[in-house]
Amino acid sequence: EVQLLESGGGLLQPGGSLRVSCAASGFTFSSYAMSWVRQAPGKGLDWVSTISDSGGSTYYADSVKGRFTISRDNSKNTLYLQMNSLRAEDTAIYYCASTRGGDNSGYKWFDSWGQGTQVTVSS
Amino acid sequence: EIVMTQSPATLSVSPGERATLSCRASQSVSSNLAWYQQKPGQAPRLLIYDASTRATDIPARFSGSGSGTEFTLTISSLQSEDFAVYYCQHYNNWPLTFGGGTKVEIK
Repeated sequence: EVQLLESGGGLLQPGGSLRVSCAASGFTFSSYAMSWVRQAPGKGLDWVSTISDSGGSTYYADSVKGRFTISRDNSKNTLYLQMNSLRAEDTAIYYCASTRGGDNSGYKWFDSWGQGTQVTVSS
Repeated sequence: EIVMTQSPATLSVSPGERATLSCRASQSVSSNLAWYQQKPGQAPRLLIYDASTRATDIPARFSGSGSGTEFTLTISSLQSEDFAVYYCQHYNNWPLTFGGGTKVEIK
């Protein structure tokens, strides 16, 4: 059974930094691209970032480019999102999701999702 | 950026009835479209990909159709567990974007 377990969320002040993690099990992590998708309170889904299976390619939404960094450790089956210069508008539940596709075929849909970790940015 | 627009925002349906949800893309996305279901307090779940292919373990009452800019998710006979919010998402190019969602509520 595929399991994705996010952790590391919390309450931070504007301008702060945070790293959230996603521990994966039940599938061959190193064979899948992975993504972060967020959901602000009472709002819809918002794609944040995607990383290729090897970690060699990364993609970001314009709203987080230059502030967030996605990475992965395939030896630990873990996905990360380093978030810097946080803003109030970054307040959301952050979901990790396994992602179909890759650099050759294009990145596609989100297969399996974790339960999310809450990040709140407030003074 | 491709903008995905879903309609209606809320759909009131009685159990056993058919529900038809629409998703429109601001430019053609071919068949590069997925649908998700999200229940309160839960993560989204993949229902449909490539516009019309059901994901693993998704019941046959869920069907997707369309291509280009117009897409439809149909739930043939609503069950109690189907009342939720539904999102479409394109994957034609970057950035990947979602529609604003359609809430299917009990009439």
